[in-house]
Amino acid sequence: GENVEQHPSTLSVQEGDSAVIKCTYSDSASNYFPWYKQELGKGPQLIIDIRSNVGEKKDQRIAVTLNKTAKHFSLHITETQPEDSAVYFCAASKGRGGKSTFGDGTTLTVKP
Amino acid sequence: DGGITQSPKYLFRKEGQNVTLSCEQNLNHDAMYWYRQDPGQGLRLIYYSQIVNDFQKGDIAEGYSVSREKKESFPLTVTSAQKNPTAFYLCASSPGQGASYEQYFGPGTRLTVT
Repeated sequence: GENVEQHPSTLSVQEGDSAVIKCTYSDSASNYFPWYKQELGKGPQLIIDIRSNVGEKKDQRIAVTLNKTAKHFSLHITETQPEDSAVYFCAASKGRGGKSTFGDGTTLTVKP
Repeated sequence: DGGITQSPKYLFRKEGQNVTLSCEQNLNHDAMYWYRQDPGQGLRLIYYSQIVNDFQKGDIAEGYSVSREKKESFPLTVTSAQKNPTAFYLCASSPGQGASYEQYFGPGTRLTVT
């Protein structure tokens, strides 16, 4: 089955700096790669996603890049703010309605 | 309001008792999922259903059971056979068709078994 590895497990940055979180996946048939943000005691919320036919996607301060050959994808957050502090999860899945495999999460702390 | 509801938010049970967690969605989504989350860990898939009256085991289905009799509802039963049931349980749904692949998560139920 699919295996997703996420690094680092914790990340601390100064407000205004950039943060990068990386994930690798094992199943070359995976074609959808979402990133979720989870605040304490709540369910995860999608912040950005990318499909396998695209190499990069950007939404304001957040961007995701995908390297299908190397089977890795990354989340980039620029100009970080204290409210960006949360746990971030990557995932990989195949097709609509199919099962997703999640990484173990990255706890991001943005220091004011 | 459209969304996914899980109830209750906190649930306490004695060891040896079965307990059922509720998950309801009014998004008209075909696919629904149950995940378990332990402290400091990612989400692990318990069961998922792509259509009414059908469901598949996820990665950690042992000790759990589900049903999908209605499109809107996907209850999860944690049985006494589950050796370590204390965890945060998350339900999600996905359109299952059309352009969107996104999973929408509910607020979760924190189950404590003593």
